[in-house]
Amino acid sequence: AQSVTQLDSQVPVFEEAPVELRCNYSSSVSVYLFWYVQYPNQGLQLLLKYLSGSTLVESINGFEAEFNKSQTSFHLRKPSVHISDTAEYFCAVSERGYQKVTFGTGTKLQVIP
Amino acid sequence: NAGVTQTPKFQVLKTGQSMTLQCAQDMNHEYMSWYRQDPGMGLRLIHYSVGAGITDQGEVPNGYNVSRSTTEDFPLRLLSAAPSQTSVYFCASSYSSGQGHEQYFGPGTRLTVT
Repeated sequence: AQSVTQLDSQVPVFEEAPVELRCNYSSSVSVYLFWYVQYPNQGLQLLLKYLSGSTLVESINGFEAEFNKSQTSFHLRKPSVHISDTAEYFCAVSERGYQKVTFGTGTKLQVIP
Repeated sequence: NAGVTQTPKFQVLKTGQSMTLQCAQDMNHEYMSWYRQDPGMGLRLIHYSVGAGITDQGEVPNGYNVSRSTTEDFPLRLLSAAPSQTSVYFCASSYSSGQGHEQYFGPGTRLTVT
């Protein structure tokens, strides 16, 4: 069965500093990987995804994540955060050929002015 | 497209009452699912459906029923509400193949059971 671990429940970071949100997954088969973002009092929206091909994927607002198969990780990074990045970020995994998506417990990113 | 819509946005129930949370999507997605979100626990899958007439249980199905009579609608029924069901409920939909199961989420229903 697939599982996702987000070890950091909260990450405070100063504005314009870099940030990394960690995600590790467990699965016995090939996977798709996702990062979703949830702004306060809203639903989740897709930030970026890894399906196949290049292991480095990017979002339109400067986030990137790298699929590392040997370390079963999909960490999310941004070189310089903005106040508007304050939100909760969820890592998710689904196994190829299998419908269900499993979410991590989320990491709250707090950007400090 | 409206995407995924959910009603109501907020609901307060007394213990033992029943209610239905509505979810609809207009993207012709085969796959629909219900999650509950609780602090520190992420999103947990309640029930899901891979198409009209086909539903299955997720991780935390007890106390909830679903049906899928059309592609568009996937209501979640609480049979006899309990305080443990106080949560934020999200409906999501996706294509069943070719897109890596990217999920589109509704805005959520915040339910309080007293």
